[in-house]
Amino acid sequence: AQKITQTQPGMFVQEKEAVTLDCTYDTSDPSYGLFWYKQPSSGEMIFLIYQGSYDQQNATEGRYSLNFQKARKSANLVISASQLGDSAMYFCAMREDNTGANSKLTFGKGITLSVRP
Amino acid sequence: DTEVTQTPKHLVMGMTNKKSLKCEQHMGHRAMYWYKQKAKKPPELMFVYSYEKLSINESVPSRFSPECPNSSLLNLHLHALQPEDSALYLCASSLGGGGRAKNIQYFGAGTRLSVL
Repeated sequence: AQKITQTQPGMFVQEKEAVTLDCTYDTSDPSYGLFWYKQPSSGEMIFLIYQGSYDQQNATEGRYSLNFQKARKSANLVISASQLGDSAMYFCAMREDNTGANSKLTFGKGITLSVRP
Repeated sequence: DTEVTQTPKHLVMGMTNKKSLKCEQHMGHRAMYWYKQKAKKPPELMFVYSYEKLSINESVPSRFSPECPNSSLLNLHLHALQPEDSALYLCASSLGGGGRAKNIQYFGAGTRLSVL
């Protein structure tokens, strides 16, 4: 079974509107971290936001927020007030803390977001 | 500052060449990573160095040889590559340590490698 699932096809959003990118995960480890990265066409992977499994509140970083629903094993990224520069591929990733190799990130397949002017 | 610097940005090499990719960070991170990424695919982990020691090798062919001369520098030596090795090679670093530490990985801009 896939550990990180991103099933949305290419997403489109109008500039200045909000958009939600979906991510579900699968783990039996009680301690884990969830990450979102942005990758523009230039190639650099840009860290956006982190959520720990024991964090009581949803993470927020500027225009980015993470809708963390632990019981449903989902960690959706919400981008508010979309900008043209948000057009990129977005990856959800997970790190499991008790596997003995807690440095490893498991990535989803990614979602392409296009922002329309 | 969360900067990871990779050089060169682009590299074209023949199958008989020997070349090296370089990665540098000055954030005091003790874990460094090499990833390979094909177009429109997620990154695939190749190697992890923790405190300058190789801790993870994801069964990477021996034509890829990593080296960590010090805690700030990571190299990937390339020899006798195949055309299917053409990809974006990403370096990342993180604080290191286990448990519930955030251990966020920060990535460089990558090296786009073409093997002819």
